[in-house]
Amino acid sequence: GQNIDQPTEMTATEGAIVQINCTYQTSGFNGLFWYQQHAGEAPTFLSYNVLDGLEEKGRFSSFLSRSKGYSYLLLKELQMKDSASYLCAVYNFNKFYFGSGTKLNVKP
Amino acid sequence: EAGVVQSPRYKIIEKKQPVAFWCNPISGHNTLYWYLQNLGQGPELLIRYENEEAVDDSQLPKDRFSAERLKGVDSTLKIQPAELGDSAVYLCASSPGTATGELFFGEGSRLTVL
Repeated sequence: GQNIDQPTEMTATEGAIVQINCTYQTSGFNGLFWYQQHAGEAPTFLSYNVLDGLEEKGRFSSFLSRSKGYSYLLLKELQMKDSASYLCAVYNFNKFYFGSGTKLNVKP
Repeated sequence: EAGVVQSPRYKIIEKKQPVAFWCNPISGHNTLYWYLQNLGQGPELLIRYENEEAVDDSQLPKDRFSAERLKGVDSTLKIQPAELGDSAVYLCASSPGTATGELFFGEGSRLTVL
C-alpha cells in the first residue's frame, strides 16, 4: 500500500520560517511534489524533487531523502498569504499519491 | 495559456438524482485525471486517461460513477444516482505526460447532496 504522512495543522508567525515534514512509504518512487492549496481553490504546483537534496525556489525550498522516505517544505519570510494547505504527493508511474495535507496558519 | 476549466463550480442536488461534471484540460495535455477531495483530505484518484483511453479506473465506483473522454480532449464525470456520501469537491487535472509529471488542476466542482 501507499502511506504518506504529514502533520495536520501548524501555526507560525509572519516573517518567521516554518518547516512542513512529509514521510512516505510507497511501493515505487519517481519523484515527490509539493502543492499549495488555498481554501476553496485548486492545488497549485510548488516544487518537485526526484534526487536527494535541497531544491530552492525563492522563499520556498524542498528537501528529499529517498533512503529515509522523507521530505520537507521550508517556507521563509512567511507572509499572511502563505496561509493555506500544503500537500505532499509521491509520483509513481503516472500515479500521484497525496497526503492529507498540512494546514498552515500564519498569524500577524 | 488557458488553464484547466471545470463546470459547474457548485452543484446542489437531492440524493438519488444524477449529476455530471465537465472538464476541459490544457491544450496538448494527453493525460487527464479526475480526483475526489473531501474536506481536510488530499485528492484521491478516481480515474486517469491517456488520450481517450481510461488506463486506471480501479478506484472509480463503477456501480454509480461513469466517465468518458471523447476525442481525447474534454471529459465528463457522471454520478447516477448520487448518495449523501458523494458530497465532495471533484477536481480535474491534466498533465503533459512528461517525465516530471506535473499536474495542473482545475478549480473543482463542489457537490452537495441533500
